[in-house]
Amino acid sequence: RKEVEQDPGPFNVPEGATVAFNCTYSNSASQSFFWYRQDCRKEPKLLMSVYSSGNEDGRFTAQLNRASQYISLLIRDSKLSDSATYLCVVNIGSSASKIIFGSGTRLSIRP
Amino acid sequence: DAMVIQNPRYQVTQFGKPVTLSCSQTLNHNVMYWYQQKSSQAPKLLFHYYDKDFNNEADTPDNFQSRRPNTSFCFLDIRSPGLGDAAMYLCATSRAGQGASSNQPQHFGDGTRLSIL
Repeated sequence: RKEVEQDPGPFNVPEGATVAFNCTYSNSASQSFFWYRQDCRKEPKLLMSVYSSGNEDGRFTAQLNRASQYISLLIRDSKLSDSATYLCVVNIGSSASKIIFGSGTRLSIRP
Repeated sequence: DAMVIQNPRYQVTQFGKPVTLSCSQTLNHNVMYWYQQKSSQAPKLLFHYYDKDFNNEADTPDNFQSRRPNTSFCFLDIRSPGLGDAAMYLCATSRAGQGASSNQPQHFGDGTRLSIL
């Protein structure tokens, strides 16, 4: 089993739709979780950290489910500019510094 | 602005000719990472430094080495590049505190795109 797994997509949704991605992680001791966004041929950029109680940033909502070992990202009222690859990032186990990326979920928003 | 700087942005080398990629940071972060990213794939962790402690991933080829002479700089050395090493190489930094839960997110450089002739 991969340490961090994501549905690769692509998700192709109309502008204004709500879309959600999940990411599962294998090590129950993991503590830090992030969602990054990566545009084609660019470096990953932090979208948001994921906190235990869940957190929201504008149209984006992140949730953590420790029991089932997954995190989720919800995008409401999607915009054309949301088209990108969304990468789930998890620290592995109790290591303070080892951070692993999921394979990414491609999202395409159509007009 | 505090940032992570990678040089060069594009690097072309010949098959088997050693190449060094550099990364510098002004964030004073204690952890520095090197990732390899191939087309349509996720960044793959090669190794990271936690302060001076080097952590190599088990599946990182011996062909790849790294040096961190001080807090601000980290280098990726590819001793004998093969065609399969053509990729984007990403440097990232983060501040790791006491316990994994205090990790801060990573900050990435723009990457170095390596081509092998």
